[in-house]
Amino acid sequence: KQEVTQIPAALSVPEGENLVLNCSFTDSAIYNLQWFRQDPGKGLTSLLLIQSSQREQTSGRLNASLDKSSGRSTLYIAASQPGDSATYLCAVMDSSYKLIFGSGTRLLVRP
Amino acid sequence: EAGVAQSPRYKIIEKRQSVAFWCNPISGHATLYWYQQILGQGPKLLIQFQNNGVVDDSQLPKDRFSAERLKGVDSTLKIQPAKLEDSAVYLCASSLRDLGGGAQYFGPGTRLTVT
Repeated sequence: KQEVTQIPAALSVPEGENLVLNCSFTDSAIYNLQWFRQDPGKGLTSLLLIQSSQREQTSGRLNASLDKSSGRSTLYIAASQPGDSATYLCAVMDSSYKLIFGSGTRLLVRP
Repeated sequence: EAGVAQSPRYKIIEKRQSVAFWCNPISGHATLYWYQQILGQGPKLLIQFQNNGVVDDSQLPKDRFSAERLKGVDSTLKIQPAKLEDSAVYLCASSLRDLGGGAQYFGPGTRLTVT
């Protein structure tokens, strides 16, 4: 059974700092991995999607990497801003095309 | 392009009452999903539709939850009777196709409180 773990559960950093969020999964048989952002009281916004054959994806200040063999992904946020404060969720699409989510990392960027 | 629409946004009911949530996916998206997100956890898939057929409902508590997607567009999720542990955000998502590689787009969710 696929399990997704995100570390840390919460993170507080000063504005301008570069940071890394971690995601690990137990079964390497995945189709893709997706990073989402969730603001309080809002739905999920897709940030980056990495296909199983890819190693990384970049969008603006965000870079996500995927190491399928070791069951790990990282989301790198460069030059963090207070507007980046949100919960970041990692999800893998398993062999039955089901999205399995981690519990998220709650990020606070202090001005 | 309009996103996934959900209503209502908030609902408070007493236990043993019934409630229904509505979802309108992105136009042209064949696959529709309902997720349950309990506070502090990631979303958990309840049911997946491909057009108007059910693909996966293995995690849907069928004794109290039901869902339908008539005409392959809008969908309704119902809980009857509700329990305290059903308090959660119910998220609807849609994707163009269900095979690996298709991104899912989420609606704003319905926050349900059962008292």
